[in-house]
Amino acid sequence: GAVVSQHPSRVICKSGTSVKIECRSLDFQATTMFWYRQFPKQSLMLMATSNEGSKATYEQGVEKDKFLINHASLTLSTLTVTSAHPEDSSFYICSAATGDTNSPLHFGNGTRLTVT
Amino acid sequence: GESVGLHLPTLSVQEGDNSIINCAYSNSASDYFIWYKQESGKGPQFIIDIRSNMDKRQGQRVTVLLNKTVKHLSLQIAATQPGDSAVYFCAERQGSGYSTLTFGKGTMLLVSP
Repeated sequence: GAVVSQHPSRVICKSGTSVKIECRSLDFQATTMFWYRQFPKQSLMLMATSNEGSKATYEQGVEKDKFLINHASLTLSTLTVTSAHPEDSSFYICSAATGDTNSPLHFGNGTRLTVT
Repeated sequence: GESVGLHLPTLSVQEGDNSIINCAYSNSASDYFIWYKQESGKGPQFIIDIRSNMDKRQGQRVTVLLNKTVKHLSLQIAATQPGDSAVYFCAERQGSGYSTLTFGKGTMLLVSP
């Protein structure tokens, strides 16, 4: 149980275009999802917390107009990287909370974004 | 060891050895700790967790030890296998509910056959 699916696993886009990444909880409802960013050989850095039906909460230094988050249902959150630049190239990972606050977060398999 | 710049601390072991991966956490108020394994190109995979009211917890081939006095967490892997090669992250949760996790810097485990 507690499977989180992320799509696409890999995407290459040109500078100035936008890219949408999907995060789905497959066998549970997730009122809260989290988006992380990871650079090579570094740890996961939280970008934002996504709550179903409300606005996302962004961490300090993360531009909300650049990283648009939508959590329209209990099983789907999306992250859209708008007007992508090469420095946005990174590994983006989502996680979802099952509703049991005593349980660990479960993660998707990440999306490798390359902006050319 | 501590990470320096972009270099992950690395632990190299032989297949069959026991591995110990260490983590120093930052917040004495953290009440929940998790170890994750991350293979190349994949998301973190849950290994084991422990609450602050415990000092030891065992799973299959893995044991987590918590020393709150010195804010130290360790992951012990028994009879390490090549498939255990990955980056291991400890994570601490500060607060209750859906409080977010803070990840440590990670340790790369390399297992030689």
